[in-house]
Amino acid sequence: QKEVEQDPGPLSVPEGAIVSLNCTYSNSAFQYFMWYRQYSRKGPELLMYTYSSGNKEDGRFTAQVDKSSKYISLFIRDSQPSDSATYLCAMSALGAGNNRKLIWGLGTSLAVNP
Amino acid sequence: GAVVSQHPSWVICKSGTSVKIECRSLDFQATTMFWYRQFPKQSLMLMATSNEGSKATYEQGVEKDKFLINHASLTLSTLTVTSAHPEDSSFYICSAEGTGEQFFGPGTRLTVL
Repeated sequence: QKEVEQDPGPLSVPEGAIVSLNCTYSNSAFQYFMWYRQYSRKGPELLMYTYSSGNKEDGRFTAQVDKSSKYISLFIRDSQPSDSATYLCAMSALGAGNNRKLIWGLGTSLAVNP
Repeated sequence: GAVVSQHPSWVICKSGTSVKIECRSLDFQATTMFWYRQFPKQSLMLMATSNEGSKATYEQGVEKDKFLINHASLTLSTLTVTSAHPEDSSFYICSAEGTGEQFFGPGTRLTVL
């Protein structure tokens, strides 16, 4: 079993739809959870960063962490064609200021159709 | 925001040659840099963790004599792929850690003929 599982998709939605992206994990030591967006042939860019359980909202993006279920989600409201990209979840056990080894999901390819 | 650059953005080389990729943090100092490799439709695979002034820590299965990492300053780390072979063709991405976050470079696409 992989430490982090993520459905690679592809996921195709119409413009304006609410998108739900998910990852599950097996290591209960993970405390830091990140969502990255990666456009084709580019490096990942950090979208959301959460510590422990709970919700975090930033504009059209909401990140949820449920540590009891070992399940994290990223919701995108009012999706736009410019949101079309691969979304990767990543998580780590160590905190800021230390060498943080990120464990990555496979990435979910999202296409938002105009 | 923090910017990380990589050079070159793409490179084509002949089998058996060596290729050097540079990773620079442009507006912050990074004591730790990470090197990743990403194959098509695959996730990022951490190759090694590089700390300024010390030897890099390689992940299991990554040959340290083939992938030479030098982190000579707080803003520069280099990855040299020695005696490259076609199976080394991949997308190589570095990241630099600053204020607890990892900031990623744009990646270098290596094609070995």
